[in-house]
Amino acid sequence: DADVTQTPRNRITKTGKRIMLECSQTKGHDRMYWYRQDPGLGLRLIYYSFDVKDINKGEISDGYSVSRQAQAKFSLSLESAIPNQTALYFCATKSTTGDRNGELFFGEGSRLTVL
Amino acid sequence: SQQGEEDPQALSIQEGENATMNCSYKTSINNLQWYRQNSGRGLVHLILIRSNEREKHSGRLRVTLDTSKKSSSLLITASRAADTASYFCATERTGGFKTIFGAGTRLFVKA
Repeated sequence: DADVTQTPRNRITKTGKRIMLECSQTKGHDRMYWYRQDPGLGLRLIYYSFDVKDINKGEISDGYSVSRQAQAKFSLSLESAIPNQTALYFCATKSTTGDRNGELFFGEGSRLTVL
Repeated sequence: SQQGEEDPQALSIQEGENATMNCSYKTSINNLQWYRQNSGRGLVHLILIRSNEREKHSGRLRVTLDTSKKSSSLLITASRAADTASYFCATERTGGFKTIFGAGTRLFVKA
């Protein structure tokens, strides 16, 4: 089983709809991240969380919200989706111990299309 | 804004040749990492170099870091068709909170 699991893997929705992308992890990491990938722009940080009570905005948080339901679960919501939120979304966890301190572990991505 | 910028944006080489990708960044960092992404898939960690290190090796990968120039390079030796992918540098800013990615280099290795 994957260490970082994202659902759904693909979603097509309409403008104005509320969408939730979910992420769960079995790595036991406290730090979790949501990134967005657009062609030619690399990954941009949306939100990150250090524990259930610690949520922080990234570079492009407008139009998004997050919830950290437990150490293992971090969900991303689009309250009212718009077409320019069409992108590939990645969840990641970060190791903070040992030789792998700083390394990110990614899910397989959630491809969202907003019509 | 992006922290890291990769150069070149795209690279096409023959199998067996070496591939070199460069990354520049703007602020103080704890470490710099390189990731690989096969088309549309999740990113896979390749190698991490800390700010007090200058060079690191892992198999066919060699990474250098020059903190005075705020730059890094990734060398893939004896490339294979299976190395075809996008490669991203990522920097963890001092403080350890955020990891910021560049736009990536698309590598195509011709068999």
